[in-house]
Amino acid sequence: QVTLRESGPALVKPTQTLTLTCTFSGFSVSTSRVCLGWIRQPPGKALEWLALIDWDDDKYYSTSLKTRLTISRDTSKNQLVLTMTNMNPVDTATYYCARTPVGGAVGDGFDIWGLGTMVTVSS
Amino acid sequence: SYELTQPPSVSVSPGQTARITCSGDKLGSKYASWYRQKPGQSPLLLIYKDIKRPSGVPERFSGSNSGNTATLTITGTQTMDEADYYCQAWDSDTAQYVFGTGTKVTVL
Repeated sequence: QVTLRESGPALVKPTQTLTLTCTFSGFSVSTSRVCLGWIRQPPGKALEWLALIDWDDDKYYSTSLKTRLTISRDTSKNQLVLTMTNMNPVDTATYYCARTPVGGAVGDGFDIWGLGTMVTVSS
Repeated sequence: SYELTQPPSVSVSPGQTARITCSGDKLGSKYASWYRQKPGQSPLLLIYKDIKRPSGVPERFSGSNSGNTATLTITGTQTMDEADYYCQAWDSDTAQYVFGTGTKVTVL
């Protein structure tokens, strides 16, 4: 069974750095040729893509947030990590990790999503 | 930056056909995906690469993409289809995923 599970702090203070972890199971990134990404959704608002890492370890970032984001993958732990620096109240959102279909390509839709983790930025 | 625009809301009667549009510059030259999101749930992929349905997605969901508009069609809409729907595309020029503005579908 393929699963993704996000974890991280529920509350961060302004200017702090957020670190989120996505633990995945049921597939191998390299043999399945999948990409893993982060998407967020502020309360009551639309989805916003943040970052993506493909099976070859190539990384892609949202242009508007590129200077604040770092995406990485730990193959030995089956974990995907996102760091976002200089957090601001407008970054309050549910953060999702998601996977593209097996054998697909960068740019494909995300067929498996985690449940998401809510992050509130407040002093 | 690349933008995808959707109508804020669409209303449909049970059993009828709902069409949700997604507009973007030369969108037809890119692959479009569609998601359904119910309150408190993660998005569910309905369509990818314009017309492909993941395993388990009902046949009543179909997609098309041409010119500047991608369309998600729900045939025989059910009350359980009441949800928010998002389109998404990959802008290869900037190597960016882009999500649409979202459409709330009401079944009444």
